[in-house]
Amino acid sequence: AQTVTQSQPEMSVQEAETVTLSCTYDTSESDYYLFWYKQPPSRQMILVIRQEAYKQQNATENRFSVNFQKAAKSFSLKISDSQLGDAAMYFCAYRSARGGADGLTFGKGTHLIIQP
Amino acid sequence: NAGVTQTPKFQVLKTGQSMTLQCAQDMNHEYMSWYRQDPGMGLRLIHYSVGAGITDQGEVPNGYNVSRSTTEDFPLRLLSAAPSQTSVYFCASSYSGTRGEQYFGPGTRLTVT
Repeated sequence: AQTVTQSQPEMSVQEAETVTLSCTYDTSESDYYLFWYKQPPSRQMILVIRQEAYKQQNATENRFSVNFQKAAKSFSLKISDSQLGDAAMYFCAYRSARGGADGLTFGKGTHLIIQP
Repeated sequence: NAGVTQTPKFQVLKTGQSMTLQCAQDMNHEYMSWYRQDPGMGLRLIHYSVGAGITDQGEVPNGYNVSRSTTEDFPLRLLSAAPSQTSVYFCASSYSGTRGEQYFGPGTRLTVT
């Protein structure tokens, strides 16, 4: 079974600064997907960014980018120019690319605090 | 499109009561799933479905039943609620079992006393 580990229960960053959230995972599969989801106080789960394991290029979405290290099974999220609206819980998630596979496996989350 | 909708948003049950959490999507997604979220935990998969008439168990299926009679709907049934089922429940859907992004509903906060 796959596992996802987020070792930082809480992170704090000054507004406009850059912050990196860590995620490691364990799997024996070679083809899979990785995601970062944001959960603000409204509790809605919002997809921030996704990475296909077969792509070597790191995914980027505006101020959000990832550092995907397949051999090290590491998938960190970098948020540049942090904004107050970025304050939320962030969850790293894994999904197998195997046909008929089940859903997402989540880490326990990192609570991101933005200091004004 | 309404996306993924869940009802109710909040529910309080007494131990032993039964209820159904409703989930519907209007995106013609094949794949639907239910997760629960407990304090200090990420979401954990309860049950999932890869199409109408097909369901399977996830990581934490005990105490829950599901069925999928239509593409749009995927209800979650608690047959005899227990305090351990106090949680926030999320329904999600995607175009295919593995490649599609999962879209989440707004969640249902359930308290069992």
